[in-house]
Amino acid sequence: GEDVEQSLFLSVREGDSSVINCTYTDSSSTYLYWYKQEPGAGLQLLTYIFSNMDMKQDQRLTVLLNKKDKHLSLRIADTQTGDSAIYFCAESLTGGGNKLTFGTGTQLKVEL
Amino acid sequence: GAVVSQHPSRVICKSGTSVKIECRSLDFQATTMFWYRQFPKQSLMLMATSNEGSKATYEQGVEKDKFLINHASLTLSTLTVTSAHPEDSSFYICSATQTGAPGNTIYFGEGSWLTVV
Repeated sequence: GEDVEQSLFLSVREGDSSVINCTYTDSSSTYLYWYKQEPGAGLQLLTYIFSNMDMKQDQRLTVLLNKKDKHLSLRIADTQTGDSAIYFCAESLTGGGNKLTFGTGTQLKVEL
Repeated sequence: GAVVSQHPSRVICKSGTSVKIECRSLDFQATTMFWYRQFPKQSLMLMATSNEGSKATYEQGVEKDKFLINHASLTLSTLTVTSAHPEDSSFYICSATQTGAPGNTIYFGEGSWLTVV
């Protein structure tokens, strides 16, 4: 089965860049996603990348995909205190419909 | 834009009772919806796929008789936790995809916090 791993915790200073990493095992991904979850809240879709792309930029967010290494990253430029949250990567698989397999989640803490 | 709404957002129930959570797609039709569960400080785990007009497909280890799913219309799926116990206390969240839209348009509800006392 598929397995999606993330580091548990990341701490950065306000204004610095944050890089959150994700590794997955199933090579039949179609889309890969990044979601943000604030305490006690639901999921906010931040961005997504199609599996045949290797980079996508959306304002402060840059997604890099290395299919060979099955590695996905999310870079947040000029990190702000409002970015403090848990970040989940997720993948949808070819033939799997739109059900997602979520990563373990990375808690981002932004310090002043 | 498309919105998926869940109700209730928070519910407390007594052990042994049943509780129903609704997931609605507000301005689009969804033949398939998904139910996830999240324990505190953990990731989201897929529980089941809700299929309009047919039986739900449950993931391994999820009891179908305990977590009843009904998808009677193209805009509504319900999850009923039967004979709830404290270990069922969790965050339940649904997702829906707009029929005919590309795979990137997966919308999540706001989630429902269930506390069983």
